[in-house]
Amino acid sequence: QVQLQQGGAGLLKPSETLSLTCVVYGGSFSDDYWSWIRQPLGKGLEWIGEINHSRSPNYRPSLKSRLTMSIDTSKNQFSLRLTSVTAADTAVYYCARLLGPHLARGVTRESWFDLWGPGTLVTVSS
Amino acid sequence: DIQMTQSPSSLSASVGDRVTITCRASQSINSYLNWYQQKPGKAPKLLIYTASTLQSGVPSRFSGSGSGTDFTLTISSLQTEDFATYYCQQSYGTPRTFGQGTKVEIK
Repeated sequence: QVQLQQGGAGLLKPSETLSLTCVVYGGSFSDDYWSWIRQPLGKGLEWIGEINHSRSPNYRPSLKSRLTMSIDTSKNQFSLRLTSVTAADTAVYYCARLLGPHLARGVTRESWFDLWGPGTLVTVSS
Repeated sequence: DIQMTQSPSSLSASVGDRVTITCRASQSINSYLNWYQQKPGKAPKLLIYTASTLQSGVPSRFSGSGSGTDFTLTISSLQTEDFATYYCQQSYGTPRTFGQGTKVEIK
């Protein structure tokens, strides 16, 4: 049974860097696609990006200039780094697995988030 | 970006009611539409993928339909544990986008 465990700092000041890690227990980590999704408190869900160990990451365009996602197959973990944070980045951040019948060919259309981490509340405040 | 619009934004219903939630895409997304359920303080849970396929372990009272731009999530007989917020999400293109959510409350 695959499980996702999240870690990282929860309180940041404006202009600091947000760093989060998601550790994956079980499953075929290196074959899968891994995603980050965030949710401002009381609001809807926003896709941040996704990564696979053998392909270039895919980022939300509005965050691309500040965003780096990385993956470490030796530790079964993937990470998110968002620079120059502001109050607008305050949210619960979720890691999730992206699943789909064509992902092995690099086709991410027809896919879904089947497993989610518990979420990490990140607050940006001076 | 593909915009996803859910209706209604909230609804009140009683246990045993049939509930239908609609999701409309700003362009055709084929059948690349997923549904999630989220309870307060919890991560979303996948209910249905590719418009109509029930995720393993999800009760059969949940069903999905639609293709192109219009989709529906139906709960055939609402149970106490179904009171939650429901989101649709398109996987036709990136950035992947979600609907704004539909909160199902107890009448």
